[in-house]
Amino acid sequence: QTVVTQEPSLSVSPGGTVTLTCALSSGSLSTSYYIGWYQQTPGQAPRALIYRTNSRSSGVPNRFSGSILGSKAALTITGAQADDEADYYCVVYVNNGRVFGGGTKLTVL
Amino acid sequence: QVQLQESGPGLVEPSGTLSLTCAVSGGSISSSNWWAWVRQPPGRGLEWIGEIYHSGRTNYNPSLKSRVTISVAKSKNQFSLRLNSVTAADTAVYYCARVVAATDTFDMWGHGTMVTVSS
Repeated sequence: QTVVTQEPSLSVSPGGTVTLTCALSSGSLSTSYYIGWYQQTPGQAPRALIYRTNSRSSGVPNRFSGSILGSKAALTITGAQADDEADYYCVVYVNNGRVFGGGTKLTVL
Repeated sequence: QVQLQESGPGLVEPSGTLSLTCAVSGGSISSSNWWAWVRQPPGRGLEWIGEIYHSGRTNYNPSLKSRVTISVAKSKNQFSLRLNSVTAADTAVYYCARVVAATDTFDMWGHGTMVTVSS
C-alpha cells in the first residue's frame, strides 16, 4: 500500500520562509507523479495551490511555489502571512489512483 | 462557474449502505474532467475514495475498492457514491470534486456533507 508522508506540524514567523515536504513510501517522487498541493482552513473545503509539481493554480499568490527537493516534493511559502495558517496536503498520482499525504498543520506565529 | 453540491442521508446504520449524490451545475459532466469523491474523518486528513469519467471509466482507492461504486448520470448532470458494509470508521465529511484531466487538479469542490455511521 502506497503511503505519502508529510510533517505533522510546522511553524513559521510572519514574513518568514517555510518548506513543507511530501515523501513517497515506495521511493523517490518526481514530476511524473503529477503532485498537487492543497490548503484547507477549518470548516472549509480544500483549495488548490499547486498542480503538476510546480504550477500555481489560478489566483494563488506567487509566495507559494512547488518543487522537487531530492527525493521529495516540496511546497515553499516565502514571506508567510497570518492567513497562511492552515492545513496543507499533498496528493500524488500513482498506479491509476491518488494518494493524499497525512497533512501538515502550519502555524504562523 | 461550476458548482458542486452533495446530498444524501447524514446518518447510516452500521453494516448498511452509504449513498451520496453530487449535483453539478454551471457546466457539463461530460466535459474532459474526472469527478471524484474524497472524505475526511473528524480531525483527520483527506482520503481519496475514487473517481469517474463521463465515459463510465472508474478508478478506486484499493483499500475501499471492494465496497465502493461510483456511477454517473449524464442526463441529470450528477454522479453518485455507494459505500457498502459501513462501520464507524466510515464516519466522515464526504466531498465531491472536479479533477481537471489536463492538470490533475481538484479545482472545484462541494461544501462537503457529514455522514455519521451509528445505530
